[in-house]
Amino acid sequence: EDQVTQSPEALRLQEGESSSLNCSYTVSGLRGLFWYRQDPGKGPEFLFTLYSAGEEKEKERLKATLTKKESFLHITAPKPEDSATYLCAVQAPGGTSYGKLTFGQGTILTVHP
Amino acid sequence: DGGITQSPKYLFRKEGQNVTLSCEQNLNHDAMYWYRQDPGQGLRLIYYSQIVNDFQKGDIAEGYSVSREKKESFPLTVTSAQKNPTAFYLCASRSGFQPQHFGDGTRLSIL
Repeated sequence: EDQVTQSPEALRLQEGESSSLNCSYTVSGLRGLFWYRQDPGKGPEFLFTLYSAGEEKEKERLKATLTKKESFLHITAPKPEDSATYLCAVQAPGGTSYGKLTFGQGTILTVHP
Repeated sequence: DGGITQSPKYLFRKEGQNVTLSCEQNLNHDAMYWYRQDPGQGLRLIYYSQIVNDFQKGDIAEGYSVSREKKESFPLTVTSAQKNPTAFYLCASRSGFQPQHFGDGTRLSIL
């Protein structure tokens, strides 16, 4: 059974204080690892897709990396508007290209001014 | 603008009542999904559909039903058999290997 565990459950940072969120996964044959951002009362917003170990993607203050067992979302010099829940999900081979995602429970990030 | 529209934003259910949540997309995506989100938990898959007139159960399908009569629409019915329906329900769609796009959810509560 595919499993995704995110840590920490909650993270409080001061503005400008860089840190990382972790996503550990167990899946037989990774088809893709996805990072989403979710604001309160809203649906998840897509951030990155990573496909193979060693891959990195960047967007503004965010950088996602992938190893064979985990992914990190690095946040450099965060701002209060980066406060949100960050979700990680994996896709395993599902017989078709429309395979389902398995999500972690999310990390709630709060950035104080 | 293309996107996914979920309605209503808030919904209340009485005991023994079935309620239907709407999900419409104009992205021309083939696949659509319904997830349930509870506090402190990740999204859990209820049902998904790859093409019109076809759908498959996800991990927590008991007490729910769906239909896919049109490519753009994938309504979810929460039946009276679902004993703990209070949650945030999210609809998503996807084309090929692209990431899933989500609507802004419907929050269902019990009266």
